[in-house]
Amino acid sequence: AQSVSQHNHHVILSEAASLELGCNYSYGGTVNLFWYVQYPGQHLQLLLKYFSGDPLVKGIKGFEAEFIKSKFSFNLRKPSVQWSDTAEYFCAVNPNRDDKIIFGKGTRLHILP
Amino acid sequence: KAGVTQTPRYLIKTRGQQVTLSCSPISGHRSVSWYQQTPGQGLQFLFEYFSETQRNKGNFPGRFSGRQFSNSRSEMNVSTLELGDSALYLCASSLDWQGAQYFGPGTRLTVL
Repeated sequence: AQSVSQHNHHVILSEAASLELGCNYSYGGTVNLFWYVQYPGQHLQLLLKYFSGDPLVKGIKGFEAEFIKSKFSFNLRKPSVQWSDTAEYFCAVNPNRDDKIIFGKGTRLHILP
Repeated sequence: KAGVTQTPRYLIKTRGQQVTLSCSPISGHRSVSWYQQTPGQGLQFLFEYFSETQRNKGNFPGRFSGRQFSNSRSEMNVSTLELGDSALYLCASSLDWQGAQYFGPGTRLTVL
């Protein structure tokens, strides 16, 4: 069965540290890829998405993600995190055919001021 | 554009009862998906509707059902509620089944 793995369940960083959250998926065909964020007390928001083209995708709030097809990965990065980035981050994959979007279990990110 | 709206925001029910949750998608969006979010299981897919047709269904028992209306609004129903059904139920809409999904604030269901 298709799956999405987010290997880090909890990440704690200090402000200004660099961030990389891992996401791997198991589907072998063409996929659309997404990162969502859920800030404390707020609902899920789209951070960035990849459909095709340049595998380095830029999103909101300084986030970017790189699609590496050979590694089935779509890791999220930010060069310098802020306290306001404290949130839960979800990776999601939509196989580019008649199928549903599959979410990872999420990574809780805590930024220490 | 107005975002995805869900009603009610909070709901308390007892075991054995049934519940209906409502979702209004972003204007122009034709695909609506429902998810269950719990601390232990994370986000789990319930079902997806596109143009009033259920396109996909997750691994939930038949007590969970849904429908979509011609104006793309969607409802989900849970019958014979169990304690384990306590969760945040999220609705998301997208232009079509392959697009980015935009989530509503969710309905927090507590089953006593």
